[in-house]
Amino acid sequence: QQQVKQSPQSLIVQKGGISIINCAYENTAFDYFPWYQQFPGKGPALLIAIRPDVSEKKEGRFTISFNKSAKQFSLHIMDSQPGDSATYFCAARNPPGRGGADGLTFGKGTHLIIQP
Amino acid sequence: DAGVIQSPRHEVTEMGQEVTLRCKPISGHNSLFWYRQTMMRGLELLIYFNNNVPIDDSGMPEDRFSAKMPNASFSTLKIQPSEPRDSAVYFCASSLVGDSNEKLFFGSGTQLSVL
Repeated sequence: QQQVKQSPQSLIVQKGGISIINCAYENTAFDYFPWYQQFPGKGPALLIAIRPDVSEKKEGRFTISFNKSAKQFSLHIMDSQPGDSATYFCAARNPPGRGGADGLTFGKGTHLIIQP
Repeated sequence: DAGVIQSPRHEVTEMGQEVTLRCKPISGHNSLFWYRQTMMRGLELLIYFNNNVPIDDSGMPEDRFSAKMPNASFSTLKIQPSEPRDSAVYFCASSLVGDSNEKLFFGSGTQLSVL
């Protein structure tokens, strides 16, 4: 059972456009929702994250929109640039338990290409 | 800080051979995670440790996989015997529990090919 569903699998956006990636989750116990960015040959790196007590978080050109009732959250990249071309993963985490942080459950990723 | 260090970067082996992947977490971090990445299944959590103790290994695919963390600065993931379906990129990540962001720092991964 896939706990975090991500769409689309791939996305092509023109330079300067808005890139939108969506995720849906099932487990209402999740308490932390990060987005990770991965370039070829590298490990994922944290891009931006949100907790369920807010509906939006913005950092520069990147914004997370969070809809708790719908159990959905999305990443918006404004003024998309060729350097944003990468694979993006949404993730969700159970509250820490048993003395440590639980691992993140990741979506399957979105391969984003920004065309010049 | 050098970040999370994994070795080797690439490993090519034959079916049936033992494979050992290594990870050095960021100094001071108290949680360590092993993930596997494939096109079909994405990023899967295999096992994680807190203060060198395995907390959850429910993601380990089968008994052929084992992981150890003998001290705070070193962990291994072993596959014995290896099979072609184990071919994937294996990532190690570490974090500091208690940090407000609880950010995961990933290594660059080990690309494993089992022929």
